[in-house]
Amino acid sequence: SQQGEEDPQALSIQEGENATMNCSYKTSINNLQWYRQNSGRGLVHLILIRSNEREKHSGRLRVTLDTSKKSSSLLITASRAADTASYFCATASTSGTYKYIFGTGTRLKVLA
Amino acid sequence: DGGITQSPKYLFRKEGQNVTLSCEQNLNHDAMYWYRQDPGQGLRLIYYSQIVNDFQKGDIAEGYSVSREKKESFPLTVTSAQKNPTAFYLCASSIGGMDEQFFGPGTRLTVL
Repeated sequence: SQQGEEDPQALSIQEGENATMNCSYKTSINNLQWYRQNSGRGLVHLILIRSNEREKHSGRLRVTLDTSKKSSSLLITASRAADTASYFCATASTSGTYKYIFGTGTRLKVLA
Repeated sequence: DGGITQSPKYLFRKEGQNVTLSCEQNLNHDAMYWYRQDPGQGLRLIYYSQIVNDFQKGDIAEGYSVSREKKESFPLTVTSAQKNPTAFYLCASSIGGMDEQFFGPGTRLTVL
């Protein structure tokens, strides 16, 4: 399969806790992006990290990238019920522009 | 408001019919994409277009067709040759081939 893989497939936490989800990919990348999808809606871009970056922050989001392991993680701190959604990573390959490869997603449920 | 729109939100098709899904953007983006999303499988690329009057097949183009006559518009036709068309279809656009993508709200197609 060309798709990346995300781990865990589903995650349930209490409000206020941190949520960590991981993404593994197979090819050399130019950048890796994280998206959020609320049920039955389109995807919303969260953050982009380039291959020469190791860590990036945006508000309560922290993304790390390890190109030697071909993996990335997304940390959501102090989670809220509104963070309940599916989260996808997508890679932009160095050899295939316009052909982003999406992971299978992590379904996050934040309990109030 | 700048954004990307899809219509209709829900679409029902009888077997043997062709149907066309609309996608319009006013973000002045050159690149546009069509994805198919099935439960638990993430997004798979159907077609993409880098520029007006040009488009390329993605990973699952069989049974689909597109056109790109205007920069703002990238309609997708699901033909009767597509044997299992029931899915959630997402349109997206981006400035270039490795940039963040902006997604429409999606069209849910059901074959009766």
